[in-house]
Amino acid sequence: GENVEQHPSTLSVQEGDSAVIKCTYSDSASNYFPWYKQELGKRPQLIIDIRSNVGEKKDQRIAVTLNKTAKHFSLHITETQPEDSAVYFCAASTGFGNEKLTFGTGTRLTIIP
Amino acid sequence: KAGVTQTPRYLIKTRGQQVTLSCSPISGHRSVSWYQQTPGQGLQFLFEYFSETQRNKGNFPGRFSGRQFSNSRSEMNVSTLELGDSALYLCASSLSGAGGFQDTQYFGPGTRLTVL
Repeated sequence: GENVEQHPSTLSVQEGDSAVIKCTYSDSASNYFPWYKQELGKRPQLIIDIRSNVGEKKDQRIAVTLNKTAKHFSLHITETQPEDSAVYFCAASTGFGNEKLTFGTGTRLTIIP
Repeated sequence: KAGVTQTPRYLIKTRGQQVTLSCSPISGHRSVSWYQQTPGQGLQFLFEYFSETQRNKGNFPGRFSGRQFSNSRSEMNVSTLELGDSALYLCASSLSGAGGFQDTQYFGPGTRLTVL
C-alpha cells in the first residue's frame, strides 16, 4: 500500500521567514495530495491541495509543488506569522472512488516572534 | 453549510466495554471516512463508507466496525476495548462525485476516547 514520509518532524523559523515541508510517496498511482493544518485541540483543516495534472499551486502565502517523477511534493509558506504555528500533515490518495488518505507523520511548525 | 459534526466529543470507557461514535457529514456529502489519531501512530485510516456500503478498509482488527445510514450519517463501533484504543477518532466527509480525483475531505472535531 501507499507510504508517505514527511520531513522534518519539527521546524522552527523566525517570523517573516519561509518554511518548507517535504513529503515523499511510494504509490505512483497517487494523484491527489492535500495538506492539512492542525492546531492544538482542533480538527485538521485543509489549507491547500494539488492534483497530479499540475505541478504547482499557490494560494496567497502558501504554495505546493509536485514532482511526479521523483514522487515528492512540498509545502512552502512565505512571510510566516505566529498564527502559522501548528502541526502540518501531508497526505496522498489514488482517487477514482478511493477516499482513503494516507498521511505523513506530521511537522510541528513553530514561528518564533 | 454546517460542518462535519461528531458526537460525543469525549468518552471514557473501561477495558472490555464497547463504544459507538457518531458522525454527521456536511449536507450533500455522500462519503464518510474514519481515522484514528494517536501521538505514536499519527493519522491512520480506518474505513470509508459510501451509499451505505463500506468501500475501503484500513488495517485495523475486526473489533472496529462501522455503518452508514441512508442520510449519510455514519457510526463506528469498537468492541472489547483495549487500552491502546485510546485516541482521537476523526471522521471526514466528501462529495465523492464522479471523476478520477478524490474530492476534498472535511474533518469533524473528533471524539476523544479514553480507555481505562
